[in-house]
Amino acid sequence: QKEVEQDPGPLSVPEGAIVSLNCTYSNSAFQYFMWYRQYSRKGPELLMYTYSSGNKEDGRFTAQVDKSSKYISLFIRDSQPSDSATYLCAMSAGNQGGKLIFGQGTELSVKP
Amino acid sequence: EAGVAQSPRYKIIEKRQSVAFWCNPISGHATLYWYQQILGQGPKLLIQFQNNGVVDDSQLPKDRFSAERLKGVDSTLKIQPAKLEDSAVYLCASSSDRFVAFFGQGTRLTVV
Repeated sequence: QKEVEQDPGPLSVPEGAIVSLNCTYSNSAFQYFMWYRQYSRKGPELLMYTYSSGNKEDGRFTAQVDKSSKYISLFIRDSQPSDSATYLCAMSAGNQGGKLIFGQGTELSVKP
Repeated sequence: EAGVAQSPRYKIIEKRQSVAFWCNPISGHATLYWYQQILGQGPKLLIQFQNNGVVDDSQLPKDRFSAERLKGVDSTLKIQPAKLEDSAVYLCASSSDRFVAFFGQGTRLTVV
């Protein structure tokens, strides 16, 4: 079993839709949860960063962490064609020097 | 603030040849990571440096891969000899707090 599982998609939605991206994990020591966005032929770009459980909102993006269920989500409201990219979840236990474990990535396409 | 710089952006080599990648992290970032990203997968950590020292190299194929970080700043990753399965994007990232990593654009390696 992988430490971090992420549905690879691809996911295709119409412009303006609400998008839900999810990851599950098995290591209960994870405390830091991140979402990265990766455009084709580019490096991953940090979108959101959350410590422990709870919600965090930044514009059209909301990150949720449920440590009891070992489940994290990223919601994108009013999705735009420019949101078309691969979204990667990443997690760290912190006490191991910040070793980041990534999910497989979900490829999202937002159609105009 | 300048981002993580990597070179070259692209490299094509024949199997059994050697290749080296260079990374210059964000100024002041003590932690430097090298990740390997195979097409369709999430990044996999190869090696993590804290200043000059290696924190984690458990997934580095040490029979063919080597990495060094001189004076706690720039880093080079070398592959010798290369195999076909080494074809991937090699990402360098750096962090100031050991939890949130910022990535460079990556070096796309093709081994033929």
